Amino acid sequence: ETGVTQSPTHLIKTRGQQVTLRCSSQSGHNTVSWYQQALGQGPQFIFQYYREEENGRGNFPPRFSGLQFPNYSSELNVNALELDDSALYLCASSWDLTSGSLYNEQFFGPGTRLTVL
Amino acid sequence: GESVGLHLPTLSVQEGDNSIINCAYSNSASDYFIWYKQESGKGPQFIIDIRSNMDKRQGQRVTVLLNKTVKHLSLQIAATQPGDSAVYFCAVASGGSYIPTFGRGTSLIVHP
Repeated sequence: ETGVTQSPTHLIKTRGQQVTLRCSSQSGHNTVSWYQQALGQGPQFIFQYYREEENGRGNFPPRFSGLQFPNYSSELNVNALELDDSALYLCASSWDLTSGSLYNEQFFGPGTRLTVL
Repeated sequence: GESVGLHLPTLSVQEGDNSIINCAYSNSASDYFIWYKQESGKGPQFIIDIRSNMDKRQGQRVTVLLNKTVKHLSLQIAATQPGDSAVYFCAVASGGSYIPTFGRGTSLIVHP
């Protein structure tokens, strides 16, 4: 069984640029959630995708967007990067019977460390 | 909205001692609580969870206690080992949807 993988592991961008982060969910999982973890803080929920549809969103502006593909892998896109976007971006996958209805264990990837200069 | 706080940013213990990490939450409607362990350079790893219809749940060397009256939960680790050194987060969710709010984390340092 393959765990959650994320790419790239590290990334450096400058203010105003755009970035795409990628996540491959654990085999058999149909739900992907994205989190932002600033240094010394707990993860903050960005959004969740269930069967290619956005299924809940945290308090993040529209320049944070995402996609989920038919194979349940996912992308996080951030436009017009700001210095405060520097953080560890975590992806977590789970298997849900229906959209957002069950508390199922989430499996996290190792994250992508984004630095915005 | 929900706010989740941990009582101590750092906890130092000796190998073999029992560790207790505490967490407080604000929303009385919260009904699902999870503890995660995050080692350096890794994503959070699920340890144990508990739903609001329970007040105690045990796993292997870990116990979670939930006190809904004072909106407090704790993670107890028995016979703490150096491999338990990590940052521990509590996360709280409500309303039947897994959109958790995480606390800031407690760094557990285990001295051999």
